Amino acid sequence: GAVVSQHPSWVICKSGTSVKIECRSLDFQATTMFWYRQFPKQSLMLMATSNEGSKATYEQGVEKDKFLINHASLTLSTLTVTSAHPEDSSFYICSAESIYRGISLYEQYFGPGTRLTVT
Amino acid sequence: AQTVTQSQPEMSVQEAETVTLSCTYDTSESDYYLFWYKQPPSRQMILVIRQEAYKQQNATENRFSVNFQKAAKSFSLKISDSQLGDAAMYFCAYINGGAQKLVFGQGTRLTINP
Repeated sequence: GAVVSQHPSWVICKSGTSVKIECRSLDFQATTMFWYRQFPKQSLMLMATSNEGSKATYEQGVEKDKFLINHASLTLSTLTVTSAHPEDSSFYICSAESIYRGISLYEQYFGPGTRLTVT
Repeated sequence: AQTVTQSQPEMSVQEAETVTLSCTYDTSESDYYLFWYKQPPSRQMILVIRQEAYKQQNATENRFSVNFQKAAKSFSLKISDSQLGDAAMYFCAYINGGAQKLVFGQGTRLTINP
């Protein structure tokens, strides 16, 4: 149980274009989803927290107009990188927190990540 | 703000031996949770073990156990009988009770020598 998928797993796009990454909780409902960015050999950096039906909360220094997050349902959140540039190339990871916490209180379930390369 | 520190960027151990990864954290809260996550080369984050701060007993999951020293704000992970599949980045993480955001440490890269 508690599986999170991401699509695509790898995307290459040209500078100036936009790319959308989907994050789905497959077997549970997620009240909250998180988007992280990870540079090579570094830790995860939280970009934003999204709650279903409300606007995402962005971390300091993250451009909300560049990284658009939509959490339209309890099983789907999307991250759109608008007008992508080479410096946006990175590994993006989503995670989800189950609506039914129980013994899994505060546990986040992670997607497999999406590698974005902007040329 | 809470911080998590992993002071060992890299560790290595012989297969079948035991290794301990260190983690310290800084908080003034009393209600919090601690986690160890594993990130193998596939980069899929996998929960290894969790510890509730209110529990005195150290958590164990098969070959993985923690040494939770609340007063010292230390949360180390011990891996017994190390296996080749244990090779990964290991991240220590902290969350306040009632909060949403996980705070991650810098990570420790663990190598298993056959």
